[in-house]
Amino acid sequence: KAGVTQTPRYLIKTRGQQVTLSCSPISGHRSVSWYQQTPGQGLQFLFEYFSETQRNKGNFPGRFSGRQFSNSRSEMNVSTLELGDSALYLCASSLSTAYTEAFFGQGTRLTVV
Amino acid sequence: DQQVKQNSPSLSVQEGRISILNCDYTNSMFDYFLWYKKYPAEGPTFLISISSIKDKNEDGRFTVFLNKSAKHLSLHIVPSQPGDSAVYFCAASVMSNYQLIWGAGTKLIIKP
Repeated sequence: KAGVTQTPRYLIKTRGQQVTLSCSPISGHRSVSWYQQTPGQGLQFLFEYFSETQRNKGNFPGRFSGRQFSNSRSEMNVSTLELGDSALYLCASSLSTAYTEAFFGQGTRLTVV
Repeated sequence: DQQVKQNSPSLSVQEGRISILNCDYTNSMFDYFLWYKKYPAEGPTFLISISSIKDKNEDGRFTVFLNKSAKHLSLHIVPSQPGDSAVYFCAASVMSNYQLIWGAGTKLIIKP
């Protein structure tokens, strides 16, 4: 079956702009989590959605938001981009809960200039 | 405050020998632990997991050990192979919660 698909793979944006990243989970998976990875850091949890509801949110400013659609696809949005937002953004899907085995997409590499 | 710590940023091991990757945690509420492997330009891939009711779980060349009293877990890879060269992350969760807390990762290099 198809894996987790993230689009776009690479993105370059200017400070102050906003960006929307997309994630299509594995068919049948209802939980989608988003993570930010920066050099030397582990994966920092952004938020988790299940059946269109955000169940948990990490310690990120309100500029980071997300949503999940009825088909489980998810988007995350970052407004008023800052240089420090440059990172690899990873999406993971799992059957029901974020703590069970999660399958990751290849990520979206965001560069803010 | 880092709840999950991988204190070794990198580890170099000879091919065929045992690789031992370590992870410490501070939150005694964690009851589920996972190891992921990550190659450059790819997302992490699940390797093996263990719940807090166990102290060992094996899957082929990979074994995870959990020492709850020391709040420590380790991943053993035997024998190590060149394809094992990657960054390894440990992650922990409270099963009633909906997020994984990740360590910073350990880069494993297998030398031929």
